[in-house]
Amino acid sequence: GESVGLHLPTLSVQEGDNSIINCAYSNSASDYFIWYKQESGKGPQFIIDIRSNMDKRQGQRVTVLLNKTVKHLSLQIAATQPGDSAVYFCAESVSLSGTYKYIFGTGTRLKVLA
Amino acid sequence: GAVVSQHPSRVICKSGTSVKIECRSLDFQATTMFWYRQFPKQSLMLMATSNEGSKATYEQGVEKDKFLINHASLTLSTLTVTSAHPEDSSFYICSASNRGLGTGELFFGEGSRLTVL
Repeated sequence: GESVGLHLPTLSVQEGDNSIINCAYSNSASDYFIWYKQESGKGPQFIIDIRSNMDKRQGQRVTVLLNKTVKHLSLQIAATQPGDSAVYFCAESVSLSGTYKYIFGTGTRLKVLA
Repeated sequence: GAVVSQHPSRVICKSGTSVKIECRSLDFQATTMFWYRQFPKQSLMLMATSNEGSKATYEQGVEKDKFLINHASLTLSTLTVTSAHPEDSSFYICSASNRGLGTGELFFGEGSRLTVL
């Protein structure tokens, strides 16, 4: 199947600081992107999404930036809290021949230090 | 938000047996469901895409005779791991989407951890 089966990189952030998690996607035709948070032993949880006709979208404490030129997506978490500790994945929606599927990036483990 | 229920959450079986995992969309009609597999400390790997009433589309390298997917209704998809072996032990996660909801958001179940002895 698709997606890269690499071990997860880790980002350690001091509580209260801002976190920036990056993701490179593969398909220039992808039109929709989602950030997910996954806690141990659970399914992914939706955080924020963005369509390809936008370059920035803000939610509560989170901001997603999209740079289509270099196929790069980032998730910014403001005032990071211990509860933000989890693995974060970006996903791109790829449309092919009238169907679509969602491909996940490698993922980043966020550790919040007290 | 929309809810996807997955069952069972954990299953242990003997080598050679078959295991069925169910995925239900509880409050919306899922025209498309996706099955993912996740190994420890790795990302989600798409196994197959299933559309209600039609055959599933499998990703390259995924054995369709090994992982049988059925999407008989707009609210239920099943994944059957046939003749399971220890290397099939993994975390299986289903997700559902209905682009009619507008966002195209993908809703996930809580996952099923399969352990094959």
